[in-house]
Amino acid sequence: DAGVTQSPTHLIKTRGQQVTLRCSPKSGHDTVSWYQQALGQGPQFIFQYYEEEERQRGNFPDRFSGHQFPNYSSELNVNALLLGDSALYLCASSWNERVFTEAFFGQGTRLTVV
Amino acid sequence: GNSVTQMEGPVTLSEEAFLTINCTYTATGYPSLFWYVQYPGEGLQLLLKATKADDKGSNKGFEATYRKETTSFHLEKGSVQVSDSAVYFCALIENNAGNMLTFGGGTRLMVKP
Repeated sequence: DAGVTQSPTHLIKTRGQQVTLRCSPKSGHDTVSWYQQALGQGPQFIFQYYEEEERQRGNFPDRFSGHQFPNYSSELNVNALLLGDSALYLCASSWNERVFTEAFFGQGTRLTVV
Repeated sequence: GNSVTQMEGPVTLSEEAFLTINCTYTATGYPSLFWYVQYPGEGLQLLLKATKADDKGSNKGFEATYRKETTSFHLEKGSVQVSDSAVYFCALIENNAGNMLTFGGGTRLMVKP
């Protein structure tokens, strides 16, 4: 059983560019959350998708947007990249009926903005 | 809002030493509490969890007890191994306020042979 898979694993972008990160949830999971983990810090919640809609959002600007597809996979888009967007982006999946028990995380996408 | 505070690292121990990593939280409701572990170059793995007061979560020799009276969820292990070297994150989900995990800043553990 494949766990949560994210692509790409590493990415280098220039300030002002746009980036798309992808996530496939663990089999049987229908809810996807995205987190940003800056170097040396804990992950910060960006948003969560369920039934192809954004269900909850953290304190991130509108430059951060997302999408969930009918197969439950998800994309995170960041526009007008800033140097401060450099971080590890983590995707987590869970089963909506059990969201308070545990989330499974992917290995993340390391984004470097230069 | 919710918050999680962990002891700052790094914590450096010799193999077979006793480990405690302190975690306290602030929440307006009744959260579920988690410990996640991050090995170098990897994502987060759930280590253990507790969903109500006085519950004890345990896994791989690690354990933590949900203490509502002290709003704490300290991680302990009786005898650490070199392979336990990693960053440990305490986190919560507030059960009546959505599905967002709130993490502490993480504590790096280094175990020397």
